[in-house]
Amino acid sequence: AAGVIQSPRHLIKEKRETATLKCYPIPRHDTVYWYQQGPGQDPQFLISFYEKMQSDKGSIPDRFSAQQFSDYHSELNMSSLELGDSALYFCASSLSGINNEQFFGPGTRLTVL
Amino acid sequence: QKEVEQNSGPLSVPEGAIASLNCTYSDRGSQSFFWYRQYSGKSPELIMFIYSNGDKEDGRFTAQLNKASQYVSLLIRDSQPSDSATYLCAVNLRSNTGKLIFGQGTTLQVKP
Repeated sequence: AAGVIQSPRHLIKEKRETATLKCYPIPRHDTVYWYQQGPGQDPQFLISFYEKMQSDKGSIPDRFSAQQFSDYHSELNMSSLELGDSALYFCASSLSGINNEQFFGPGTRLTVL
Repeated sequence: QKEVEQNSGPLSVPEGAIASLNCTYSDRGSQSFFWYRQYSGKSPELIMFIYSNGDKEDGRFTAQLNKASQYVSLLIRDSQPSDSATYLCAVNLRSNTGKLIFGQGTTLQVKP
């Protein structure tokens, strides 16, 4: 079965640079979520989109922005990167509805030097 | 107090034993509950979900939910060394957006 696709899988950036992470949800899934997981921590919700509209926002810095496109893929744009942004970034997708299961992509490991 | 709490462990069980993982949550209006397994450096993998009070079984896994006690658990029967991982409890709060709040995870070690 098709899974969530994320690219790139690894990314190394310098401080103050920008990064763009991409997510392609499972076909027919209309909702995308972004999570950040720091070393030894649990995943933290950043932002979600349903039918190309932002549906919820969590602890996402103002330096970050995201959107969902007409083909349902999503991009997380990160600017003015800081050392503390180094983490695993996961995208998950689901069908809409509060009880629908979220399936996670393999993640993008971002390292900020 | 965190919204979702788990004992970080490690929980160590011998191969073939039953592993019992527990999770409590603070929001009484929480709607749905998920158990994810995560190997180091990998993404969370959905194991079980439960919405209603009681037990739900899937193979070697049983999820138990008690909304009155705000408690959800995962039982793993016939534990295998390959079950050694971090188990994350995730809760969908009363909002209708689907975002998950995770516990800090319990590390399970299954010893041969």
